[in-house]
Amino acid sequence: AQKITQTQPGMFVQEKEAVTLDCTYDTSDQSYGLFWYKQPSSGEMIFLIYQGSYDEQNATEGRYSLNFQKARKSANLVISASQLGDSAMYFCAMRSRSGGSYIPTFGRGTSLIVHP
Amino acid sequence: GAGVSQSPSNKVTEKGKDVELRCDPISGHTALYWYRQRLGQGLEFLIYFQGNSAPDKSGLPSDRFSAERTGESVSTLTIQRTQQEDSAVYLCASSLTLKTGSRTDTQYFGPGTRLTVL
Repeated sequence: AQKITQTQPGMFVQEKEAVTLDCTYDTSDQSYGLFWYKQPSSGEMIFLIYQGSYDEQNATEGRYSLNFQKARKSANLVISASQLGDSAMYFCAMRSRSGGSYIPTFGRGTSLIVHP
Repeated sequence: GAGVSQSPSNKVTEKGKDVELRCDPISGHTALYWYRQRLGQGLEFLIYFQGNSAPDKSGLPSDRFSAERTGESVSTLTIQRTQQEDSAVYLCASSLTLKTGSRTDTQYFGPGTRLTVL
């Protein structure tokens, strides 16, 4: 079975500082994708960044980067130079073909609050 | 824009009534997903479609829930005999492919339908 674990229910960061949101995953499949989404208080789910299991380099998208450590099965999201608008819930997700099913798996989320 | 759209945005219904929620995926996306998100909770996977086929319905909470998809376009989630526990935001997402390990597997979400069962 596949599983996503986000151990930080809540995180606080000062504006302009960097913050790391943790995500560990478990799958027996060799081919999988890892995703991070942002959900502001408005409720929309916004795609941030993608990392494929065969990608050799860490993914980056603007201020977002993904610290992918395959052997440790971790896919931490790093947000550099935090902004007030980064305050939101952040979900880590994975899709692999586990047991013949393609069901996506989401973590419970981390609430990030950015202080001015 | 050409994003995922959902209707209605809000639905208030009485216990015992049936409701239909609609999702229009991004044009050309072969895969479509439905999720439920209760207040303050994470995402609960309900069902996904590959084309108009639903290979795995194990996420549907009960036989009151059903979903269908017309070709590679619109999908409808139907909840029969609604219960108060069905109150939640129902999110739809679509992806270009169902190819794991590929960026084309990225899901893009709609704005959701907020369902309130009185």
